[in-house]
Amino acid sequence: ETGVTQSPTHLIKTRGQQVTLRCSSQSGHNTVSWYQQALGQGPQFIFQYYREEENGRGNFPPRFSGLQFPNYSSELNVNALELDDSALYLCASSPGGGSYEQYFGPGTRLTVT
Amino acid sequence: GENVEQHPSTLSVQEGDSAVIKCTYSDSASNYFPWYKQELGKRPQLIIDIRSNVGEKKDQRIAVTLNKTAKHFSLHITETQPEDSAVYFCAASTGNQFYFGTGTSLTVIP
Repeated sequence: ETGVTQSPTHLIKTRGQQVTLRCSSQSGHNTVSWYQQALGQGPQFIFQYYREEENGRGNFPPRFSGLQFPNYSSELNVNALELDDSALYLCASSPGGGSYEQYFGPGTRLTVT
Repeated sequence: GENVEQHPSTLSVQEGDSAVIKCTYSDSASNYFPWYKQELGKRPQLIIDIRSNVGEKKDQRIAVTLNKTAKHFSLHITETQPEDSAVYFCAASTGNQFYFGTGTSLTVIP
């Protein structure tokens, strides 16, 4: 059984650019959630995908969007990057089917200059 | 939306003592309450969780209590050890939305 993985590890982008972050779920998990964690703060929920459909969203603008693929891997896309988007982006997978336990990936550190 | 408050923000205890971290939530629809431990530079790790139909859950030195009426839940760590030093986060969830507290930095002094 493999754990949650994310790529890339680190990324530097310029304000106004677009970025795509990737997440592979733990084996057997069909639900993926994405979080933004600023330095010294708790993870902020962006959205959740279940069987390729968005089924929950936090207080983030539409320029944050996502996809989930048939193999349950997922992407987070952020358009029109702003300086405040600099953060650690975490994805977490869970088994679904009424089981809410989430297991986090190592994160992608995004720096916007 | 949900609002989760967590206290204290920092906590120092002597090795062997107990540590208690408290959280409150606002949305009565929340029914799942996990706790995560995050060491510096590492991913959050699930250490214990509780559903709204249970009042208390224990796993070795760690326990969580939930008071649905008052909308608060707490993490209790007994016989603390230096390796318990980390940031701890509580969260409240309806299953498809998760809201985290601001974290408690726990230091266990040998």
